Amino acid sequence: NAGVTQTPKFQVLKTGQSMTLQCAQDMNHEYMSWYRQDPGMGLRLIHYSVGAGITDQGEVPNGYNVSRSTTEDFPLRLLSAAPSQTSVYFCASSLGQGFGEQFFGPGTRLTVL
Amino acid sequence: DAKTTQPPSMDCAEGRAANLPCNHSTISGNEYVYWYRQIHSQGPQYIIHGLKNNETNEMASLIITEDRKSSTLILPHATLRDTAVYYCIVIYNFNKFYFGSGTKLNVKP
Repeated sequence: NAGVTQTPKFQVLKTGQSMTLQCAQDMNHEYMSWYRQDPGMGLRLIHYSVGAGITDQGEVPNGYNVSRSTTEDFPLRLLSAAPSQTSVYFCASSLGQGFGEQFFGPGTRLTVL
Repeated sequence: DAKTTQPPSMDCAEGRAANLPCNHSTISGNEYVYWYRQIHSQGPQYIIHGLKNNETNEMASLIITEDRKSSTLILPHATLRDTAVYYCIVIYNFNKFYFGSGTKLNVKP
């Protein structure tokens, strides 16, 4: 199993550009989530999904969209990038709602100029 | 969800036990205590979790006080590779994990 994969590993955007961060898992996990981590801080939950077709907001959802058309994929879209969105983005998955052991991807380092 | 308090940093000598404390005085009866760690800038790694009883696995032990207001993560024989930020998380709603700032554990030779 590849586990949780994220692409790209690094990305530089200009203010106002849009892009999609990709996340995929091959463990047949129902629950997937996106976090951002700013320098020197803990992770903050952006959006999560409890299964295909179902998504909900986390702690810091503004400026981001998600969709879950398949169990495997959970892309995160930045609608109009802002410098405040410069961060490291982590995707995670777990078996389901009742399972707290989350598996994290390696992260995407995003810089918005 | 209950808030947690952890010291910002701790030192530990290689080969000794590392004891990382966490206060969660507002925890409620159905909230679990989870521990994760983040090595350098990698994605966090699950370590262990518990509800009321002490737990042990191949990585660590989790000691929860009887009143459940605090817990301690124990790494029995710390190595240099255990240098990381350790997060204590108290959660009932598994859809919303909140990571605080954690404890930076420095294992020294």
